[in-house]
Amino acid sequence: NAGVTQTPKFRILKIGQSMTLQCAQDMNHNYMYWYRQDPGMGLKLIYYSVGAGITDKGEVPNGYNVSRSTTEDFPLRLELAAPSQTSVYFCASKEGQHTDTQYFGPGTRLTVL
Amino acid sequence: QQQVKQSPQSLIVQKGGISIINCAYENTAFDYFPWYQQFPGKGPALLIAIRPDVSEKKEGRFTISFNKSAKQFSLHIMDSQPGDSATYFCAASRRSGAGSYQLTFGKGTKLSVIP
Repeated sequence: NAGVTQTPKFRILKIGQSMTLQCAQDMNHNYMYWYRQDPGMGLKLIYYSVGAGITDKGEVPNGYNVSRSTTEDFPLRLELAAPSQTSVYFCASKEGQHTDTQYFGPGTRLTVL
Repeated sequence: QQQVKQSPQSLIVQKGGISIINCAYENTAFDYFPWYQQFPGKGPALLIAIRPDVSEKKEGRFTISFNKSAKQFSLHIMDSQPGDSATYFCAASRRSGAGSYQLTFGKGTKLSVIP
């Protein structure tokens, strides 16, 4: 199993551009999450999904959108990128409601200039 | 509102020493407390976790101590090695109710183990 994969690894955007961060998992996990990690700030939850077709906001959802059309994929969309969205983005997945361990992808480092 | 407070922000320990990282939480509904380890350029990975029905859990050189009344938990790394140099995050979540199964992370501790 590849686990949780994320693409791209790095990206530089100009202010106002849009992009989609890709996340996929091959473990048949129902729960998927998007976090952002800023230096010295830990990880903050952006959006999460408990299954295909079901998504909900986390702590810092403004400026982002998500969709979950399949169990495997959970893309994160940035519309009108702003410098405040410069961060490292991590996708994670968890098997189901009665399991606790979240498995993280390798991250996408995004810079907005 | 920061629900999980972690200290220290950075820690330098000599090889063979004990590394101790502390966390305090506010939400008494939390009932799952994991520690994640993150190496530079990588995603966090679960190191060890505890539930509030026990006061201590040990896995190899890593031990979690949990104090429910004080709402505190800590990670102890015995016989610290240079390979343990990483950033450690404590976290907490609840298994039912609003926000269930969402991890709330501390801000992280950068551990450096020097030879």
